[in-house]
Amino acid sequence: AQSVTQLGSHVSVSEGALVLLRCNYSSSVPPYLFWYVQYPNQGLQLLLKYTSAATLVKGINGFEAEFKKSETSFHLTKPSAHMSDAAEYFCAVSDWQNTGNQFYFGTGTSLTVIP
Amino acid sequence: DGGITQSPKYLFRKEGQNVTLSCEQNLNHDAMYWYRQDPGQGLRLIYYSQIVNDFQKGDIAEGYSVSREKKESFPLTVTSAQKNPTAFYLCASSMERGGYNEQFFGPGTRLTVL
Repeated sequence: AQSVTQLGSHVSVSEGALVLLRCNYSSSVPPYLFWYVQYPNQGLQLLLKYTSAATLVKGINGFEAEFKKSETSFHLTKPSAHMSDAAEYFCAVSDWQNTGNQFYFGTGTSLTVIP
Repeated sequence: DGGITQSPKYLFRKEGQNVTLSCEQNLNHDAMYWYRQDPGQGLRLIYYSQIVNDFQKGDIAEGYSVSREKKESFPLTVTSAQKNPTAFYLCASSMERGGYNEQFFGPGTRLTVL
């Protein structure tokens, strides 16, 4: 079965500092991986996705993630944090082989940006 | 504009009542999903449907029911059998084929049991 683990339920960074949100996955097949962002009382918005075309994936709002098979990781980064980046971030893996397109989500990381 | 709508945004229920949450999409997606979100637990799958008139239980289906009579609609009923229904409910849809297809989410419904 597929699963993802997000280390750090809360992360705080200063405005302008590097953002690093960690995601490790477990998958018995080549994974499809996703990062979503959620603002308070809203739905989830896709930031980026890994579909095996390239290991370094660029997404919206300046975020990017690197797929590292040897480390089973897909960490999300942004070089310089903005106040508007404060939100909840979720990593997800698709269980495409077994159930079509069921996603398994991590428990989320809440990002606080300090002015 | 294409997207997913959920209604109502806020819903209050008395104990013992059934309530139905609406989810509509105009993205022409085959698959639709219902998730429950609780603080610190991420999203947990309640039900999903890959095609009209067919749906499957997810990890936490007990106390919930769904229908999929139209491709565009996937309503969720929270029954009185659900012991702790207070949560944020999210509906999503995706193209069914290929695990590389992302899920698109609606704005959510916050259900509170009084």
